[in-house]
Amino acid sequence: AQSVTQLGSHVSVSEGALVLLRCNYSSSVPPYLFWYVQYPNQGLQLLLKYTTGATLVKGINGFEAEFKKSETSFHLTKPSAHMSDAAEYFCAVSSSSGSARQLTFGSGTQLTVLP
Amino acid sequence: DSGVTQTPKHLITATGQRVTLRCSPRSGDLSVYWYQQSLDQGLQFLIHYYNGEERAKGNILERFSAQQFPDLHSELNLSSLELGDSALYFCASSPSTGNNQPQHFGDGTRLSIL
Repeated sequence: AQSVTQLGSHVSVSEGALVLLRCNYSSSVPPYLFWYVQYPNQGLQLLLKYTTGATLVKGINGFEAEFKKSETSFHLTKPSAHMSDAAEYFCAVSSSSGSARQLTFGSGTQLTVLP
Repeated sequence: DSGVTQTPKHLITATGQRVTLRCSPRSGDLSVYWYQQSLDQGLQFLIHYYNGEERAKGNILERFSAQQFPDLHSELNLSSLELGDSALYFCASSPSTGNNQPQHFGDGTRLSIL
């Protein structure tokens, strides 16, 4: 079984400050990891993904994440927060059983950006 | 725009009723996934279809069922509705079943049970 833990259900940062959203995973096989963002009344939009290869992954809107196997972590960062980054962020791990695929999501982190 | 279309956007109904949620995947995607998002349970995987065949079931109640049609659109049927079924239901699609393929989500159907 695979699981995802997002530390901090709410994170507040000032505009221009560093954004750090934490994600730890549990997986018995090499994981495929994803970050999604959800704006109010919208669906989930893919920010970035880690499959294999480079452990530092760059995504859209200036976000990036680093896969650290030794720490079983996949934290999301952005050097400088913008007001438009306020949203809920979900970390997810892709699990498989035979030819079936599903995403297991963390509980989400609500990001507030203060002016 | 993810390319995944869900209808209707909002649905209000009463306990005991039956509803059907519809999803059209992105052009060319063969896999369709259904998820439920609620305040108490978060985002929960319900079911996965690939090219018309059911591939996996998650936390899906027996009162719920789904199917994927030859044109690849999918429907999620919810019956004998209860207050606790009020939630946001998402459909997602991906090209096939590869683990490294991200799933692209629709905007969801918000179901309210009165």
